[in-house]
Amino acid sequence: SYELTQPPSVSVSPGHTASITCSGDDLGYKYACWYQQKPGQSPVLVISQDTKRPSGIPERFSGSNSGNTATLTISGTQAMDEADYYCQAWDSNTAKVAFGGGTKLTVL
Amino acid sequence: EVQLVQSGAEVKKPGESLRISCKGSGYSFTSYWISWVRQMPGKGLEWMGRIDPSDSYTSYSPSFQGHVTISADKSISTAYLQWSTLKASDTAMYYCARHASSGSSHFDYWGQGTLFTVSS
Repeated sequence: SYELTQPPSVSVSPGHTASITCSGDDLGYKYACWYQQKPGQSPVLVISQDTKRPSGIPERFSGSNSGNTATLTISGTQAMDEADYYCQAWDSNTAKVAFGGGTKLTVL
Repeated sequence: EVQLVQSGAEVKKPGESLRISCKGSGYSFTSYWISWVRQMPGKGLEWMGRIDPSDSYTSYSPSFQGHVTISADKSISTAYLQWSTLKASDTAMYYCARHASSGSSHFDYWGQGTLFTVSS
């Protein structure tokens, strides 16, 4: 099965830029997306198809995907952005969904 | 407004069976795949499988194939996830999620989650 690897944790100071990576074989040839999950809540899509920001998601969230790595970038990080973030991709070989292990973003 | 409303929390014993549901509203239920996602306590998201409600075609993660069954009743816009024999390790939160379009890889709407505990 297709595997996606994320760092377990990332820390950032308020107002600074946070980058969360997601690695997988030839990930750049697939669409990657990102979800934010706060404690006790369902996941929320924050980036789809590598770079698209759904309606209602702040402009400080952006995404990129190239080579073997997709990256979620949060510019001007706010305390409300503290959450778990999951990358996800579609394994076209097997037509199955793959999730990364998740990254806990701490804003301190 | 698109909504996915899941059935409520359950407590079951090992060996029992269970079916949880996910009712879609505010959109054409047969036009979007539904996936099920497991989240064990304190752990990450795991994709279990999906269904195309238009024809009930299913695809499962190898990790869950044979242990759960995904189905749908398009007449009542509801997808189901069921177990015939529960184990303690099935204790988790389970989410249904709508694919943004049939064939799309990402999920644009999620249910509120169904938490169930399997304990003797």
